[in-house]
Amino acid sequence: DVKVTQSSRYLVKRTGEKVFLECVQDMDHENMFWYRQDPGLGLRLIYFSYDVKMKEKGDIPEGYSVSREKKERFSLILESASTNQTSMYLCASSFSGGVTYEQYFGPGTRLTVT
Amino acid sequence: GQNIDQPTEMTATEGAIVQINCTYQTSGFNGLFWYQQHAGEAPTFLSYNVLDGLEEKGRFSSFLSRSKGYSYLLLKELQMKDSASYLCAVLDSNYQLIWGAGTKLIIKP
Repeated sequence: DVKVTQSSRYLVKRTGEKVFLECVQDMDHENMFWYRQDPGLGLRLIYFSYDVKMKEKGDIPEGYSVSREKKERFSLILESASTNQTSMYLCASSFSGGVTYEQYFGPGTRLTVT
Repeated sequence: GQNIDQPTEMTATEGAIVQINCTYQTSGFNGLFWYQQHAGEAPTFLSYNVLDGLEEKGRFSSFLSRSKGYSYLLLKELQMKDSASYLCAVLDSNYQLIWGAGTKLIIKP
């Protein structure tokens, strides 16, 4: 079974702090994704990566950056956390060239910025 | 723009059948996904349709009509554990997933 893990389930940070969210997958997937999920808005793509050291902006990259130094790990960085970044953050991975492009999700990190 | 519409919330009775609809307008189409998400948990894959027609998988079935930009998820013999949000997502021409806001399904005894 594919396993995607995220470093924290719950996180509380103060405004202006630098925040690191880590995601690790164990299935040798090429593609990794960071989403945020807010009530009534569905999943919104922040950044994704097709390969090590590669990154692409999603729909809402402002205020975020990412790092992918190893194939299995994809980090999301909030350079200076703000209250409007309070949200559920979901990491996902998928196999490149698969028949279905199915994405496998981690358990999520609920981030609160106060 | 790209848009996926699904009802915000639905209520059904244990043992009954429910149909959750999804309509989409996207730039290109490379398949449609349904995911299930229990409260506080990660979405999990339910089905994938790329050709028109009905795909059946146990109590769950998913239907696609590409010409109408329409899909539905059919859940039979509802159980209390089916209470969850159901997310519709379309793989667009760039192979990016475009997500609907999700349908919260409430099952009553």
